Amino acid sequence: AQTVTQSQPEMSVQEAETVTLSCTYDTSESNYYLFWYKQPPSRQMILVIRQEAYKQQNATENRFSVNFQKAAKSFSLKISDSQLGDTAMYFCAFMKPAGGGGADGLTFGKGTHLIIQP
Amino acid sequence: GAVVSQHPSRVICKSGTSVKIECRSLDFQATTMFWYRQFPKKSLMLMATSNEGSKATYEQGVEKDKFLINHASLTLSTLTVTSAHPEDSSFYICSARAPAGVYLGTDTQYFGPGTRLTVL
Repeated sequence: AQTVTQSQPEMSVQEAETVTLSCTYDTSESNYYLFWYKQPPSRQMILVIRQEAYKQQNATENRFSVNFQKAAKSFSLKISDSQLGDTAMYFCAFMKPAGGGGADGLTFGKGTHLIIQP
Repeated sequence: GAVVSQHPSRVICKSGTSVKIECRSLDFQATTMFWYRQFPKKSLMLMATSNEGSKATYEQGVEKDKFLINHASLTLSTLTVTSAHPEDSSFYICSARAPAGVYLGTDTQYFGPGTRLTVL
């Protein structure tokens, strides 16, 4: 079974600053996906970024980038030039590829509540 | 693209009644959908995997006779909470897995807006 750990229950930064959210995971799989999802107060889960484990290059999506360290099983999210609209819960998630055997739903960490201060 | 809808968004029911929640992928076909449950200020927990045309796969500890899942078409999965009790009150969220070559890539899950169930 996989586990995902987010060690920062809450973080607060000033608008325009850069913030990094940490995530570690444990798995015996060699091929898998990692995700960061954002959940604002509306509770709609929004995909932020996706990383495939077999790719060494770190994924980026505009102001969002990850630092994927496969050997260390670490998957941190960096948000540059933070904006008020970035305030939300951020969940790190793990998933095995479809057809890989076993459940292929997402395993989530407990989340980090990110607050962007004006 | 990659829009998933859920209906209803909120439902209040009496103890002992059944409630049906619908999950639809609006602009893509999803052979697999997932149902999650989220308690206040907690993370999402996978309840079951719903495959079109076959029986759902339930996670350990989830009562399949209480949480009935039907995936009748490539765009619709339903979750029925049978004989609901106050402890079933929660936020239920579905997701649909995008097929290969769609949007951000194979296996990415897109979420519905969730359904808040309150059982009195």
